[in-house]
Amino acid sequence: AQKVTQAQTEISVVEKEDVTLDCVYETRDTTYYLFWYKQPPSGELVFLIRRNSFDEQNEISGRYSWNFQKSTSSFNFTITASQVVDSAVYFCAKGTYKYIFGTGTRLKVLA
Amino acid sequence: DTGVSQDPRHKITKRGQNVTFRCDPISEHNRLYWYRQTLGQGPEFLTYFQNEAQLEKSRLLSDRFSAERPKGSFSTLEIQRTEQGDSAMYLCASSLGLADPKETQYFGPGTRLLVL
Repeated sequence: AQKVTQAQTEISVVEKEDVTLDCVYETRDTTYYLFWYKQPPSGELVFLIRRNSFDEQNEISGRYSWNFQKSTSSFNFTITASQVVDSAVYFCAKGTYKYIFGTGTRLKVLA
Repeated sequence: DTGVSQDPRHKITKRGQNVTFRCDPISEHNRLYWYRQTLGQGPEFLTYFQNEAQLEKSRLLSDRFSAERPKGSFSTLEIQRTEQGDSAMYLCASSLGLADPKETQYFGPGTRLLVL
């Protein structure tokens, strides 16, 4: 079965530290899409980024950056200068119409 | 823009009772999805609709579960004869579908179900 693995269950950092969340996926597809979502304590999944399998350019959005490496089937997410408001569970997902999610990484940013 | 809304946000029921959840997607979105999320896990796909047509159902969706989207707008998810194992967060998402080459699902706040 195609799978998304987020090996880091929980990460704690001190505010202003950089942190990288890992995501590794399995696929038999030649075309696929990868996503990151944030789930704050309120429970709603907030869309962060979508990446196509044929576009390996890394992307930066403010303090967020994503590193997509097709050769290692990884799509890692880095938060620079973390803030307390970044505390949440982050999910990596893969799919087209049907998303397969990882088990999530809980990020705690301590003041 | 109004996002995806779900009602109720929380539901406590006794084992054996029936429950129904409602999802209202973003207005111009023609695809609607249901996922289930248990504690400590990522969401798992249950089913999805293209307009009013239900196009796929997961094996997770037992015979006790039924989903409808009668007019291609809002959707309902009904669980009959609830079991304690049904306790989870039920998430609804919507997307533009094929009209959007960057199709992305946007999620609602979820309905948290507790079966006693």
